[in-house]
Amino acid sequence: GAVVSQHPSRVICKSGTSVKIECRSLDFQATTMFWYRQFPKKSLMLMATSNEGSKATYEQGVEKDKFLINHASLTLSTLTVTSAHPEDSSFYICSARGYGRSPSGANVLTFGAGSRLTVL
Amino acid sequence: AQSVTQPDIHITVSEGASLELRCNYSYGATPYLFWYVQSPGQGLQLLLKYFSGDTLVQGIKGFEAEFKRSQSSFNLRKPSVHWSDAAEYFCAVGAFNRDDKIIFGKGTRLHILP
Repeated sequence: GAVVSQHPSRVICKSGTSVKIECRSLDFQATTMFWYRQFPKKSLMLMATSNEGSKATYEQGVEKDKFLINHASLTLSTLTVTSAHPEDSSFYICSARGYGRSPSGANVLTFGAGSRLTVL
Repeated sequence: AQSVTQPDIHITVSEGASLELRCNYSYGATPYLFWYVQSPGQGLQLLLKYFSGDTLVQGIKGFEAEFKRSQSSFNLRKPSVHWSDAAEYFCAVGAFNRDDKIIFGKGTRLHILP
């Protein structure tokens, strides 16, 4: 089945530094990738939608200059948290949708295992 | 606007007992509905999905869910829970187009008593 790999699974960084999180589709081409942020004991908040080769579409309230998303290929999307601050500490999860439609007429997202970011 | 409501933040059941997790949605068209499970510190795993057809869908790990259009509900059920079912469960709704988004409910934490 479809597999999405997310790396790193955990990262600790100092305040003011930048951190890059990678999301790779391992056995399918992901035309669209979604980035979610999950706060403790909260649901997943959609941050942005990225389509291969085009600029990401950010949800309202998400700072596009802080959370840089690049979807340079059909198998890789990256999220860079720039000038990270402690309030950026969170669990970030990516998901990917493959190319084409399933027989049911819709595509199911495959989620990565998530990346735990801690900013000191 | 689409939304998903999971009215129960926490649910506690005894091992071997039956389980029902509630989910109500608001959507302007026929929704695509999902249930995901998340173990602590982990990503999300798809339990089951409904796109069309039979309103009772079977998923992995013995879970099933029933789509009731008249009640705008998609409740998750399991006849007999196991201790390993303790996790966070998310109901989600989406639509099918190129840039569709999946919107998640706030989740229900399932606790299992031995």
